[in-house]
Amino acid sequence: DTEVTQTPKHLVMGMTNKKSLKCEQHMGHRAMYWYKQKAKKPPELMFVYSYEKLSINESVPSRFSPECPNSSLLNLHLHALQPEDSALYLCASSQADGVEAFFGQGTRLTVV
Amino acid sequence: GQQLNQSPQSMFIQEGEDVSMNCTSSSIFNTWLWYKQDPGEGPVLLIALYKAGELTSNGRLTAQFGITRKDSFLNISASIPSDVGIYFCAGLWADKLIFGTGTRLQVFP
Repeated sequence: DTEVTQTPKHLVMGMTNKKSLKCEQHMGHRAMYWYKQKAKKPPELMFVYSYEKLSINESVPSRFSPECPNSSLLNLHLHALQPEDSALYLCASSQADGVEAFFGQGTRLTVV
Repeated sequence: GQQLNQSPQSMFIQEGEDVSMNCTSSSIFNTWLWYKQDPGEGPVLLIALYKAGELTSNGRLTAQFGITRKDSFLNISASIPSDVGIYFCAGLWADKLIFGTGTRLQVFP
């Protein structure tokens, strides 16, 4: 099983809403990631969790709040987003930091 | 920050043709990965390279880790319509996976 599952697939939210993106993997991977991808651009790293601890935060605004409840789950809590935050949010996991990361299908987020 | 430049930016080829694309950086990377992304989907890992000079194949795909460790190449032989998509190289730097600018491939029957 090389699957990373993300829910929901699509999300539309208002600027005053609070929502969460969820990511799950059952490959026993110890590193998990959030990436943001704008149209026609490469994925950009947001956060890295290694052994359930936040190891990298790429200066992401505090309106994005990651959480790793256990080694299989990764959440991204969203609050007071701006329309420019609309993008494809990708979750990935790997056995160790950075090596051979496997991606989920992404959540297409639209902020209105 | 680190930047990976891919060329060409886009390619339009006929089914059956071979394809070559490359990825270059001003910095050294110890690991190179190649991904393919379909519209609205997440990137799918195609090939991983760990050693300078390494040549690795995955079916019709062949990738090479450049000797200088500053570049990598991907070749696709006998292209088919389902090869359409965006191909990204990615380099591992300080435990971060940095993505290239992407090469968009279109295959015409």
